[in-house]
Amino acid sequence: NAGVTQTPKFQVLKTGQSMTLQCAQDMNHEYMSWYRQDPGMGLRLIHYSVGAGITDQGEVPNGYNVSRSTTEDFPLRLLSAAPSQTSVYFCASRRQQYYGYTFGSGTRLTVV
Amino acid sequence: AQKITQTQPGMFVQEKEAVTLDCTYDTSDPSYGLFWYKQPSSGEMIFLIYQGSYDQQNATEGRYSLNFQKARKSANLVISASQLGDSAMYFCAMRDNYGQNFVFGPGTRLSVLP
Repeated sequence: NAGVTQTPKFQVLKTGQSMTLQCAQDMNHEYMSWYRQDPGMGLRLIHYSVGAGITDQGEVPNGYNVSRSTTEDFPLRLLSAAPSQTSVYFCASRRQQYYGYTFGSGTRLTVV
Repeated sequence: AQKITQTQPGMFVQEKEAVTLDCTYDTSDPSYGLFWYKQPSSGEMIFLIYQGSYDQQNATEGRYSLNFQKARKSANLVISASQLGDSAMYFCAMRDNYGQNFVFGPGTRLSVLP
């Protein structure tokens, strides 16, 4: 049972480049979310999904897009990378709305 | 809006002693859930313990217990008999009544001294 798988683990982008962070879970969880972690600020919600075909914005959605075409996958797209998007990104999933999250191992992104 | 406050940026504890990590929350929801996660230096997020707002008893999981004081809106994590492997960041988190909103506090870095 792989849980939540994130790729890549590390990435360096130049300002203005775009890329997609991949996230897949094999637990048949309904809820999936993307968080970013910055020093001293905990984890802040970027986007979340309550099921295939349904997504919504979180606290810090600007500059990011998501889609959820299947239950398993929830990719995060950076449209035009900016240095302010340098962060550690976590994908997480949970079975239903009242459960806690299972996290992926994170992606450390640096934008230069 | 929901908010989680963790007032201790860093804590030190001697090995084998107990330590309490503070967490206060703000919500107007009648029903909510409180979580604690551990993040070791390797970076992964590990679920530790959960407390529902209507649970009558404080949650316990091995050496972890949650001191839940609903009237004070606090949900402190107590780690008994600290071990060197407990050195990590600890995050308090809360989900709202409908489970849509799931927010984290800024975290407390715990260092266990030999």
